[in-house]
Amino acid sequence: GAGVSQSPSNKVTEKGKDVELRCDPISGHTALYWYRQSLGQGLEFLIYFQGNSAPDKSGLPSDRFSAERTGGSVSTLTIQRTQQEDSAVYLCASSLARSGGGETQYFGPGTRLLVL
Amino acid sequence: KQEVTQIPAALSVPEGENLVLNCSFTDSAIYNLQWFRQDPGKGLTSLLLIQSSQREQTSGRLNASLDKSSGRSTLYIAASQPGDSATYLCVFDGTSYGKLTFGQGTILTVHP
Repeated sequence: GAGVSQSPSNKVTEKGKDVELRCDPISGHTALYWYRQSLGQGLEFLIYFQGNSAPDKSGLPSDRFSAERTGGSVSTLTIQRTQQEDSAVYLCASSLARSGGGETQYFGPGTRLLVL
Repeated sequence: KQEVTQIPAALSVPEGENLVLNCSFTDSAIYNLQWFRQDPGKGLTSLLLIQSSQREQTSGRLNASLDKSSGRSTLYIAASQPGDSATYLCVFDGTSYGKLTFGQGTILTVHP
């Protein structure tokens, strides 16, 4: 079946503009995660969704970052007034509901964001 | 704050060698420990997942172990091949919902 898809695959924007990144999880996966991989920073957790609610937003770096999920499926990560330090690869992952800690996360190919 | 450390940062070996990648973590409250592979432009692929109640997992030429008491995991790759060249990530999961903490990775190059 289809894996996790993300769009766009690449995005170049000017400093100060808003961007929206989209994630389509695997059908039936109730858990959805956003991560960011910055040069020299490694992969970092941003936000977790269970269904349409986000119990853990602790990784969002500033109030310019927000995310929503609708219908328990598609999620959008929005970055307002982008800054150059927002340049990174944004990865989305999904998984089945947790049961004993044994469910792996399936990652999308990522969106490469470059803020000029 | 949970820290995940991987050693070595980079490794270059000739084809056919057996090798060991090391990972250490600071938080003993663990749900599972995963090893991922990252290929340029191809995203992340889960290789092995060891639940907290387990000590090791095996898949083909890969074997991963978990020692919670010492906060360590190792990934053993037998008979390495050039196709194994990639970045290997040790990933700690210490929550009930899957918030992952990633190591910085080991860049593996297997040359023919």
